[in-house]
Amino acid sequence: SQELEQSPQSLIVQEGKNLTINCTSSKTLYGLYWYKQKYGEGLIFLMMLQKGGEEKSHEKITAKLDEKKQQSSLHITASQPSHAGIYLCGAHQTGANNLFFGTGTRLTVIP
Amino acid sequence: GAVVSQHPSWVICKSGTSVKIECRSLDFQATTMFWYRQFPKQSLMLMATSNEGSKATYEQGVEKDKFLINHASLTLSTLTVTSAHPEDSSFYICSAWGDGETQYFGPGTRLLVL
Repeated sequence: SQELEQSPQSLIVQEGKNLTINCTSSKTLYGLYWYKQKYGEGLIFLMMLQKGGEEKSHEKITAKLDEKKQQSSLHITASQPSHAGIYLCGAHQTGANNLFFGTGTRLTVIP
Repeated sequence: GAVVSQHPSWVICKSGTSVKIECRSLDFQATTMFWYRQFPKQSLMLMATSNEGSKATYEQGVEKDKFLINHASLTLSTLTVTSAHPEDSSFYICSAWGDGETQYFGPGTRLLVL
């Protein structure tokens, strides 16, 4: 079965620093989703990538999908405390309509 | 983006009782909704796929008689945890495809069974 591995599992950065979170799939991805979750809350959609080499940005967050469509990275520039939370990558289950998720990365931003 | 709501946000119940959680799509219709469960410091695990007007599809290891799903309309799916036990305590989240490309999630329901 397909799996999504995220790294690092947790990350603590000083406010203003840049950071990168990685999501690696055991199989080719057909649609990679990035979500953010604050503790005890639902998931907030960030971005979706489909094509190999695709890159999308929203405010200070940039997500990329590699050419082979097996790895994605999420980069945050000049981090702020509001960026803190759990970042989850998700992908379509083969032959199914639902998403399955990576292990998550817990980000803490120290003011 | 599309909005998915859940009710209640918090529920505490005694062991042996049943608890119903509602998931609503507020500004779109959803023929399919998904129910996930999340344990502390873990990722989301799909429990079942809820289909409007037909039976839900359950993931392996999820007891369909314990987690009853009813998708009676295009905007409402309910998850009933029957005869709840402390090990059922978890964070339950529903989702639906809002625009065909993006899956939108509810705010979640935290269940604590005493």
